[in-house]
Amino acid sequence: DADVTQTPRNRITKTGKRIMLECSQTKGHDRMYWYRQDPGLGLRLIYYSFDVKDINKGEISDGYSVSRQAQAKFSLSLESAIPNQTALYFCATSVRTGTVNTGELFFGEGSRLTVL
Amino acid sequence: GDSVTQMEGPVTLSEEAFLTINCTYTATGYPSLFWYVQYPGEGLQLLLKATKADDKGSNKGFEATYRKETTSFHLEKGSVQVSDSAVYFCALSDGANSKLTFGKGITLSVRP
Repeated sequence: DADVTQTPRNRITKTGKRIMLECSQTKGHDRMYWYRQDPGLGLRLIYYSFDVKDINKGEISDGYSVSRQAQAKFSLSLESAIPNQTALYFCATSVRTGTVNTGELFFGEGSRLTVL
Repeated sequence: GDSVTQMEGPVTLSEEAFLTINCTYTATGYPSLFWYVQYPGEGLQLLLKATKADDKGSNKGFEATYRKETTSFHLEKGSVQVSDSAVYFCALSDGANSKLTFGKGITLSVRP
């Protein structure tokens, strides 16, 4: 079983619909992230969370919201989806070792969202 | 802000050819540097990393050396295989909060 699980893996929806992408992890990591991947643009950070009570905006947070329901769960919502939010979305986790951040991210397999 | 620049792609090579993928960065302080690989239909996974100047990261025959003087972290492999076909991302972390900044990625195709 995957350590970082994303659901759904694929979703097609219409403009204006509310969409939630869910992420759960069994790695015991405290830090979780949502990235978006677009061809030619690489990965861009949407939101990140260092623990349940800590949520931070990334570089492209407009149009998105998140919820950290528990240490192991981090969901991404699109309140009113629009076509330019069509992309591949990745959840990732990381861990801090003592006072040093390892910097390594562990990714889920991605959720492909298409907004018509 | 921090940024990562990768060479333009895609790259197509024959099996057993030598591979170089260029990566340069801009950052304040002393970042850690990473190469991630994304195989078709999968998420990204760490290929190698280096945490300080002159460190060499290596894994699966790939190598990259952290060059502070040229702000570079070029990925190399002496003999590529068809199974190396994937998208490769260079990334940096400022270490303070473990946010990673990624380059745009480059697609490598290796033909038999």
